[in-house]
Order: sequence, then structure tokens, then C-alpha cells
Amino acid sequence: GQQVMQIPQYQHVQEGEDFTTYCNSSTTLSNIQWYKQRPGGHPVFLIQLVKSGEVKKQKRLTFQFGEAKKNSSLHITATQTTDVGTYFCAASYGGSQGNLIFGKGTKLSVKP
Amino acid sequence: EPEVTQTPSHQVTQMGQEVILRCVPISNHLYFYWYRQILGQKVEFLVSFYNNEISEKSEIFDDQFSVERPDGSNFTLKIRSTKLEDSAMYFCASSEAGNTIYFGEGSWLTVV
Repeated sequence: GQQVMQIPQYQHVQEGEDFTTYCNSSTTLSNIQWYKQRPGGHPVFLIQLVKSGEVKKQKRLTFQFGEAKKNSSLHITATQTTDVGTYFCAASYGGSQGNLIFGKGTKLSVKP
Repeated sequence: EPEVTQTPSHQVTQMGQEVILRCVPISNHLYFYWYRQILGQKVEFLVSFYNNEISEKSEIFDDQFSVERPDGSNFTLKIRSTKLEDSAMYFCASSEAGNTIYFGEGSWLTVV
């Protein structure tokens, strides 16, 4: 079946450092979504990217969708302790309504 | 803000027993989903439901699983004869138009 590779699996940063997580698919995506899951919590929708080369920003978070619509990244500038959690990309392939294929997630820890 | 609600939050069941997990999706949403997350692993799609029928299901969603929308508000997942490997967090989710998906807080199922 379809798979989405997400790296790194873990990232430990000092507060104030930047953080990036990457997702890759071998096939073209219809769209990609990003979710944040706090420890013990549920996935919370962050953003959806649909267009080739799309870049969206939410405060310190920058989301990119590759030109070929096969990869995506989430970059956090100047991390804060509130950024702690696992960040998942979730890919949607053509014709699929909500059958999201999740990456394995990147678990971010931030040292104050 | 409207949210997806799930009950129970935690259920412990004997292997071989039937379990029903309940969900109340966001009221104006038309697409409903069940996902699961085994402890420490990624979120996995189980099934999507639209217009009173299953629209898509994964390989995980075998004959032991069924979904139902018994009335205008509830959406249930039934596991007919639970196995140890069914132990996981089960997330219900809903979407207005099949794009942005909102997750409930999950039902943690422990099979002993």
C-alpha cells in the first residue's frame, strides 16, 4: 500500500533552536496535511497543503509542499517548550476522501 | 468550538469479547472515520463512512470490525471478538467535506 516516509523519528533541541521534519512519498499526492499530537493527546489539525510548491506560514511554523507534490516539510523557528509533541504528516492520494496515510511522526522535545 | 466526542475514554475487555466504541461527530459534518494508534506508533486509517455507507476501508478493517450510524448523531465502531493486538487508542474523526479532519480525544482499548 501507499507509504509516507517521515524523518527524523526524534529530535531534541534546545529552546530557541529551529526544528524541521520532512515527509516523502514515492507517488504524487493529492494533498498533505500536518497534525500535532501532544503526549497523551489526539492529533490536532495544523494545515493542509494542496498546490505544487505551496508555502504556508502560521506564526513560527512554515509548511512547504514540493513542486512534484511528493514531499513536504514543517519548519519551526525558535522552538518553545510549548512546541513539544509529535508532528505527523498525513498524505491524501487522488480519489481518497479522508483515507489519510500518516507518517510515523517526528517526536520533538525541547529543553528549556 | 465544536468537537468530536468519544466514549468510553478507556475500556478494558477480555480477549474474545465484543466491544463497541461510540462517537458523536461534529454536527454538520458528513464524513466520518475511525483511526487507531497502537501505543508509540503512527496513526492508522481503519474506515471512512459517508452517506450511510462505508466509502473506504483499510486492510486492518477485517470482518471482526463493523461501523454503524444508528441514529442522526452517533457513529459506532464494533469489534466482534477482540484480540490482544486490538489494544490501541481508537480515534473517531469527522470532516465537513472530506478534507480537514477533526479527531476526537480517543478511546483507549486494552484487551487482556
